[in-house]
Amino acid sequence: GEDVEQSLFLSVREGDSSVINCTYTDSSSTYLYWYKQEPGAGLQLLTYIFSNMDMKQDQRLTVLLNKKDKHLSLRIADTQTGDSAIYFCAENPGYSGGGADGLTFGKGTHLIIQP
Amino acid sequence: EPEVTQTPSHQVTQMGQEVILRCVPISNHLYFYWYRQILGQKVEFLVSFYNNEISEKSEIFDDQFSVERPDGSNFTLKIRSTKLEDSAMYFCASKEDRANTEAFFGQGTRLTVV
Repeated sequence: GEDVEQSLFLSVREGDSSVINCTYTDSSSTYLYWYKQEPGAGLQLLTYIFSNMDMKQDQRLTVLLNKKDKHLSLRIADTQTGDSAIYFCAENPGYSGGGADGLTFGKGTHLIIQP
Repeated sequence: EPEVTQTPSHQVTQMGQEVILRCVPISNHLYFYWYRQILGQKVEFLVSFYNNEISEKSEIFDDQFSVERPDGSNFTLKIRSTKLEDSAMYFCASKEDRANTEAFFGQGTRLTVV
């Protein structure tokens, strides 16, 4: 079945880079996502990567995808206090071939910023 | 910027009561979803809806749950007889089309069953 795993906590110093890791199981996933959830708020899409790519950069965010190992990472450069949130990795197995229509999320990684 | 809106933000209900959670998806979107997040756990897919019918549902979405698009703007999730374990944050999401990459999520409704 589909499963997405993430470590629960990551603590970094302000100004350092944060690297949040995720592993997934469904090799048919066409898109992989990173969502951010701030306290009391909904899920905000940060970035996504298509499965035929291995890297995507968007300002301070870099997504790396190792499809062979089914490993996804999110790097946040120059981490700020405003980056403090829960980061969810999610996969979409794709809409063809009878796969699930909805996203499968990990449990989320709490990013804690130390001054 | 267009957004998905959900009401109420917090609902408290007694066990056994029916609840209806409401969502207004983004106006030109065609695919609608409900997810739930039990406190401290994963966000879980419940159901997707397209063209006035359920497209896909998870094993969580049993006979106690139903969804409806009663008019051109609202998308509702009904829980017929709530149980304590239904307490969770419920998120609505919408997508422009099935192939589109981005699902837009609402702020969520926190349901507390007492």
